[in-house]
Formats: sequence, C-alpha cells, structure tokens
Amino acid sequence: DQQVKQNSPSLSVQEGRISILNCDYTNSMFDYFLWYKKYPAEGPTFLISISSIKDKNEDGRFTVFLNKSAKHLSLHIVPSQPGDSAVYFCAAVLGNTGKLIFGQGTTLQVKP
Amino acid sequence: DAGVIQSPRHEVTEMGQEVTLRCKPISGHDYLFWYRQTMMRGLELLIYFNNNVPIDDSGMPEDRFSAKMPNASFSTLKIQPSEPRDSAVYFCASSFRQAPDGYTFGSGTRLTVV
Repeated sequence: DQQVKQNSPSLSVQEGRISILNCDYTNSMFDYFLWYKKYPAEGPTFLISISSIKDKNEDGRFTVFLNKSAKHLSLHIVPSQPGDSAVYFCAAVLGNTGKLIFGQGTTLQVKP
Repeated sequence: DAGVIQSPRHEVTEMGQEVTLRCKPISGHDYLFWYRQTMMRGLELLIYFNNNVPIDDSGMPEDRFSAKMPNASFSTLKIQPSEPRDSAVYFCASSFRQAPDGYTFGSGTRLTVV
C-alpha cells in the first residue's frame, strides 16, 4: 500500500509562474515531511521540510504547506525557473521508526 | 568528501544471472539505506543498516534479494537469480543519526534485466 501518494505524474508551467506540487498521505503517525528534488542521472537531494506541528515553512522561492486534517501537503515554487525542472519527491518520516517513506514523484517542467 | 559512491552506474544482465550492486557511504555516517525507484511506486525503501547492522529489511521484495554491510565503508545489494521485473534504478543513501534532511544519495545504479 502506498502511504505517500503523488497523484500527478507530471506538471508543466511557464517560467515566472507558480508551480504547485501536491502530496497526500494516509498514516497519521507521520510527524515530519520533506521534499526532495532529483535531476536525471543524479540521486535525490533534500529541498525543504516541515514538522507536523507547523502548517507552513518557507525557504526562498520554496514554501511547503501542511494540512494535517486533510493529510495533504504541497510545495509552492514562486517564481518558477527553468532550472527547477526536475522530479520532485514528497517524503514522510514514520515517527516511531525514523523510516523515510517516499511518494512516486512528480516531474516538473518549467518552460522558458 | 566524494559523497555516496555507487557502482556500477549501469548494469545489463540476463534473466537468471546474479547481480551485485555496491555502495560506499560517506565517512562518519552511521546509517545506510538501499532504495529502489520505479515509475509505479517511486522510491521504495528496501533495507537499512545502523552501524553495519541490518535494522529493517521488511522492504526487501523476496528471498532473491540480500544485502550486507561487512564494514562501515561498504555495502552490497545482491539479486540472485535476477528477473526482468527487477529492472529499476537502485539508490544507496547514508546519513548521520538517521536525520531525514541529512540523507545523501548516490547517483544510483540503473539495472536492466533482459
């Protein structure tokens, strides 16, 4: 069973506009959430995270929102740049195990 | 530090053959993880080690898969016998104290079983 789901396999946006990537989870025991970014032929790299006690975390152009009641989080990129084109993975930490559970990934394409 | 080093980068093998993937974690990291990336399931955790000891192997698909970490600087993931459905990208990652924002991934091994 997929505990972390990214239902949109791909997203295409125009440079300068906002990119919104979505993620849903099923396990209420998750207490920490992260977004990783992956370029082709490279491993994923950490982008931004949020604790379950918060509903928003911002780092430059990147903001993550958490809605615990809906078990939903999203990553906003504003403004989007062509260099942001990559696969974005949502991930969650299972508190009592420390295990990092990933979603399927969303491929973002930012067009110049 | 050169980061997490995986070898080979690409592996093409015939069904039924044994495949061994290798990983050198970052020096000083005490956790090592093996993940598999597929289109359908994204990044799946296969197994992870703490101080060279396997902690959780519940993600290992079946008995054909095995992993070892003989010392702090080396780990292997072995598939014997390999099957076409094992084709995927396999990633190794390491971290200090299992800090989720501190995972460093290798570049992966793309495995193709024909």
